[in-house]
Amino acid sequence: EAGVAQSPRYKIIEKRQSVAFWCNPISGHATLYWYQQILGQGPKLLIQFQNNGVVDDSQLPKDRFSAERLKGVDSTLKIQPAKLEDSAVYLCASSFGGGSQETQYFGPGTRLLVL
Amino acid sequence: GDSVTQMEGPVTLSEEAFLTINCTYTATGYPSLFWYVQYPGEGLQLLLKATKADDKGSNKGFEATYRKETTSFHLEKGSVQVSDSAVYFCALRTGNQFYFGTGTSLTVIP
Repeated sequence: EAGVAQSPRYKIIEKRQSVAFWCNPISGHATLYWYQQILGQGPKLLIQFQNNGVVDDSQLPKDRFSAERLKGVDSTLKIQPAKLEDSAVYLCASSFGGGSQETQYFGPGTRLLVL
Repeated sequence: GDSVTQMEGPVTLSEEAFLTINCTYTATGYPSLFWYVQYPGEGLQLLLKATKADDKGSNKGFEATYRKETTSFHLEKGSVQVSDSAVYFCALRTGNQFYFGTGTSLTVIP
């Protein structure tokens, strides 16, 4: 079974530029998560989708971050414009359902450096 | 708010030593608790979980018991191997929110 795919793996941009990350979850997984992991910290949940609907985006900085999952499969996370403090690894995860006992499967992450 | 506090590292042990990584949590309601592991160059993966008080999660020789009275979920292994070298994250879920600890780096030397 193929795992969670993410691209690109690395991205370097200058502040105020825009950037987008892509995630393809495990086939059949209805729930998709985006996390931000700043160096030395644990992952922080940004947004959770169930199929193509948003379940929780309370920690997403909506003035600059946006995410979509239009067809309920793959997803894109965008930052516009980027700030220095957005430098982090962006992790995508998926699970079959959204229940409290569901196992999340993580992708390899996209490492973003904002200069 | 809800949070996880995890023992800071790095931790260095000799092979076959006993491992404990402490994790305590603050949460309203009844969270589920998890330990995730990240091996060098790989993504996060679930190591074990417990969904209610007194449950014990176990996998690959690792164990953790959900202690409601002490709000803890300490990770233990009786005899570590070099291949256990990784970063370990404690996490909790309440409702639709997940909270991760800062991670503990473990290095096991032969």
